[in-house]
Amino acid sequence: DQQVKQNSPSLSVQEGRISILNCDYTNSMFDYFLWYKKYPAEGPTFLISISSIKDKNEDGRFTVFLNKSAKHLSLHIVPSQPGDSAVYFCAASAAYTNAGKSTFGDGTTLTVKP
Amino acid sequence: DGGITQSPKYLFRKEGQNVTLSCEQNLNHDAMYWYRQDPGQGLRLIYYSQIVNDFQKGDIAEGYSVSREKKESFPLTVTSAQKNPTAFYLCASSIGTGAASTDTQYFGPGTRLTVL
Repeated sequence: DQQVKQNSPSLSVQEGRISILNCDYTNSMFDYFLWYKKYPAEGPTFLISISSIKDKNEDGRFTVFLNKSAKHLSLHIVPSQPGDSAVYFCAASAAYTNAGKSTFGDGTTLTVKP
Repeated sequence: DGGITQSPKYLFRKEGQNVTLSCEQNLNHDAMYWYRQDPGQGLRLIYYSQIVNDFQKGDIAEGYSVSREKKESFPLTVTSAQKNPTAFYLCASSIGTGAASTDTQYFGPGTRLTVL
């Protein structure tokens, strides 16, 4: 039973346009959500996070939206740049579990075309 | 400068041999983790440790073992009991104080293990 799902394995957008990456979760106890970015043959790096007490968090070109009722979050990148091309992982954790024990989705490969 | 290191980057072993992957961090983080990534899949948790001398099994611990004798180090041994050990292994650490806001994990560069 996969608790965090990223249903789109890949996404291709034109440079300058908006990229929207989606993530769904099933565990209602999740209350903290993170997005990581990963280049090939490297470890993931933290991108942005959101707590369940918020519905939006913004950091520069990156915005994460959380819809708790739908158990859905999305990452918006605008404008998209070729350097954004990478695999993006959504992760979720619950305060009642050990801190940091996040559950990861399978990732979405984003390709930004010049 | 602070960070998390894994060595070696590429590792080749013969089937039936145990192999130990190194993970060191100088971030003064309490929590450390080992993940496995297979092609087209996400990160699957093998083991994690919240504090020195303590660790717990993750989702796919069978065939693996760990130790946490020092705060900075969390080596992973892939034993001959692991049926499909060829994969990309990632180590991570986090502050681990128990607050959700500290859940951000910092990852090492990974070790690609190939069992021949």
